[in-house]
Formats: sequence, C-alpha cells, structure tokens
Amino acid sequence: SQTIHQWPATLVQPVGSPLSLECTVEGTSNPNLYWYRQAAGRGLQLLFYSVGIGQISSEVPQNLSASRPQDRQFILSSKKLLLSDSGFYLCAWVETGPTEAFFGQGTRLTVV
Amino acid sequence: GQSLEQPSEVTAVEGAIVQINCTYQTSGFYGLSWYQQHDGGAPTFLSYNGLDGLEETGRFSSFLSRSDSYGYLLLQELQMKDSASYFCAPGGSYKLIFGSGTRLLVRP
Repeated sequence: SQTIHQWPATLVQPVGSPLSLECTVEGTSNPNLYWYRQAAGRGLQLLFYSVGIGQISSEVPQNLSASRPQDRQFILSSKKLLLSDSGFYLCAWVETGPTEAFFGQGTRLTVV
Repeated sequence: GQSLEQPSEVTAVEGAIVQINCTYQTSGFYGLSWYQQHDGGAPTFLSYNGLDGLEETGRFSSFLSRSDSYGYLLLQELQMKDSASYFCAPGGSYKLIFGSGTRLLVRP
C-alpha cells in the first residue's frame, strides 16, 4: 500500500535560519507531489508541485524553494526564514490526475 | 486561471443535514473532489465526482453540475465529530488547488 512520510512534525526555528522539510512516498512510482502551506484557520496555499524528477513548478514567489532529487522524494527549503514563513506545511501526492490526494501528517513550523 | 468559492462557515445542529456549496472556474476541468480536515490534522479525501450527478458514500453525498460549474457536499445525520473544515478541489491540470474551505460547527 502507498504511504507518505513527512517530517518533522513540529519545528521551531529562529528568523534567518535555514529550513529543510522532507517528504517521501512509498508504494507508488512517478507520483505528482505537492507542497502546501496553511495559516491558522485558513485554506491551503499551493507552494510548489512536481510532476517528475527535477521538475518543479512554483506557485508563489517567496524565499522558499523545492527540489525533487528522486522520484518519491520532495524537499522544501529556505536559506533564511522569515517570521511570515510560520505555518502548517503539508506534503501531498497524487497517483494519476488530481482526483484523490494523500497528505502527510504535516509540519507545524514556528519562526521566532 | 482557477478560482473557487465556498462559504467560510456553516453551523448546524447534531442530527441535521447541511449542504456546503462550491463554485469553481478552472481550465481543463474533469472532476471535483472533497476533503475533510480536523483542527491540527491533515486533510483526508472524502469523495470525487467525475460525472454530473450525486455520489453517495454513507452519510456523505457529493453533487456535481458541470454546466453550472457548481458542486456541493451534503452531510446527513450530523454528528459532533463532523465539526471540521471542508475543502473542494477541482481536478483539471496538474495543479491541485483547494477552495478556502468551509468551517462546519456542529452544535448539540
């Protein structure tokens, strides 16, 4: 069966520090992968999506970047965090066509 | 481009029926999905409509009208545990965009 792993679950980072969040999927190949951010009580903001290795589409210009070094690995990074980067980060995958998405447990990031 | 509209909040009484609407505008549309998210948790898939009409899954049903670019999620026999946020998500391009979500509060 397919599973998605996202870590860490919670993270507290100082302003200006780097960030690396990792997401891996098991039990499937060539998934479409997505990174979202959710502010408290708000909707899901699509940050990046990838349809294949090395293929990254950015939805929101900001100080975040994403990479897909392997088929089932999706990484969200930042060189210098801002206070406004705080939020709930969610990784998701879709097997074929955006019909049913499966989400990781999420990472609650607090920038202090 | 893509746009989605959902009511921001709905309140209902336990045991009642509630309908959450979603209107969308997206290119290459081919279906509408619904997700549930409890506070602090990740969204989970509820249903998908690839064709016009009503899809029923237990207490939850979802409806799609392509000609009206409209869909809804119907929750019956509401339970306290149904208090959560509900998101619609049109399937079209590789981009998976979610509506702003509807916060459902179920009261005793």
